[in-house]
Amino acid sequence: QKEVEQNSGPLSVPEGAIASLNCTYSDRGSQSFFWYRQYSGKSPELIMSIYSNGDKEDGRFTAQLNKASQYVSLLIRDSQPSDSATYLCAVKEEVQGNTPLVFGKGTRLSVIA
Amino acid sequence: GAVVSQHPSWVICKSGTSVKIECRSLDFQATTMFWYRQFPKQSLMLMATSNEGSKATYEQGVEKDKFLINHASLTLSTLTVTSAHPEDSSFYICSARLGLGTTSYGYTFGSGTRLTVV
Repeated sequence: QKEVEQNSGPLSVPEGAIASLNCTYSDRGSQSFFWYRQYSGKSPELIMSIYSNGDKEDGRFTAQLNKASQYVSLLIRDSQPSDSATYLCAVKEEVQGNTPLVFGKGTRLSVIA
Repeated sequence: GAVVSQHPSWVICKSGTSVKIECRSLDFQATTMFWYRQFPKQSLMLMATSNEGSKATYEQGVEKDKFLINHASLTLSTLTVTSAHPEDSSFYICSARLGLGTTSYGYTFGSGTRLTVV
């Protein structure tokens, strides 16, 4: 059973601070990792994808991957109230191919103005 | 680009009736469509994987006779909830892998359908 674990939160941070979201996965053979943001009542939207060990930055977002530790994280710099949402970590066993994503339960982030 | 249009966005139906949910890929070919269900404060749970022109593959515990999936073309997949009951009330979301005609390996999601069975 492939599992993706996230702290459900809520994680509360003040506006302008750095929010750190963490995720671990059980399948050591996983190759693709995604962070999705989901607002209440809406479908997930892709924020970041990462495939190699290390950091990947995109604007205020930085994804970090450590395959040896089976750990992936998302940092949100200069957090804004509009960032308040549930963040879903998703894992896939290969880069290409048609296997489905396995999702964690999500971490609810609350950015306090 | 790479939009999946999902309809309806919400539906209320009486217990025992059937509901059809459609997902269309607007500007790419979706050879594979994934159907998820999400209960309140829970994560997305994969229900089934449909491939164009072939039978869907259902996850363990999902009744294939209750959740009928059709993927007759590269741009349209449908999920029909037959004889719906209140416990089927949930948020149903389709997802397609970006591939043919795109350069991304990511997945895009439909906007979701909120089903309420009364």
